[in-house]
Amino acid sequence: DAGVTQSPTHLIKTRGQQVTLRCSPKSGHDTVSWYQQALGQGPQFIFQYYEEEERQRGNFPDRFSGHQFPNYSSELNVNALLLGDSALYLCASSNFGNEQFFGPGTRLTVL
Amino acid sequence: QQQVKQSPQSLIVQKGGISIINCAYENTAFDYFPWYQQFPGKGPALLIAIRPDVSEKKEGRFTISFNKSAKQFSLHIMDSQPGDSATYFCAASIPNSNYQLIWGAGTKLIIKP
Repeated sequence: DAGVTQSPTHLIKTRGQQVTLRCSPKSGHDTVSWYQQALGQGPQFIFQYYEEEERQRGNFPDRFSGHQFPNYSSELNVNALLLGDSALYLCASSNFGNEQFFGPGTRLTVL
Repeated sequence: QQQVKQSPQSLIVQKGGISIINCAYENTAFDYFPWYQQFPGKGPALLIAIRPDVSEKKEGRFTISFNKSAKQFSLHIMDSQPGDSATYFCAASIPNSNYQLIWGAGTKLIIKP
């Protein structure tokens, strides 16, 4: 079992650009949650997808959007990047109603 | 009211000693309290978790103590080892949220040989 995988590992973008991050959940999991972790801080919940729909959303602007595919994999899209979007983006998968398992994250740097 | 306050921010413990990290919360509706361990460049990994109907849970060298009346919970690492050096996060789950987690700010633990 490969666990939760994320791609790419690292990404560098400039302000105003758009970015797409990808997540493949652990085998057997149907729910994907995304978190933003700024340097030296705890993760902040962005949103959660289940059955290809956004089920929960944290306090993030509409520039942050997502998608879940029929195979349960997920994408996180961020438009109009700001310097403050630089962070580690974590994906966590679970079976709906059960504990989450985290991927290694994608390190996004916005210049 | 949705915050989880974690202390200390950093902690240095001698090998073989006991590491203690504390968290406090306000929302009495929180129903699940996990601790995560994160190594540099890695995602958080679930270490141990507790629900409010239990006052203590032990798994190997790791113990959670939970004080419902004080709205506090803590992680104890017995016989701390250099391999335990990592950042530890407490968290709390919002009820009926499918494990949507509110996280503490983290504690950087260093175990000195």
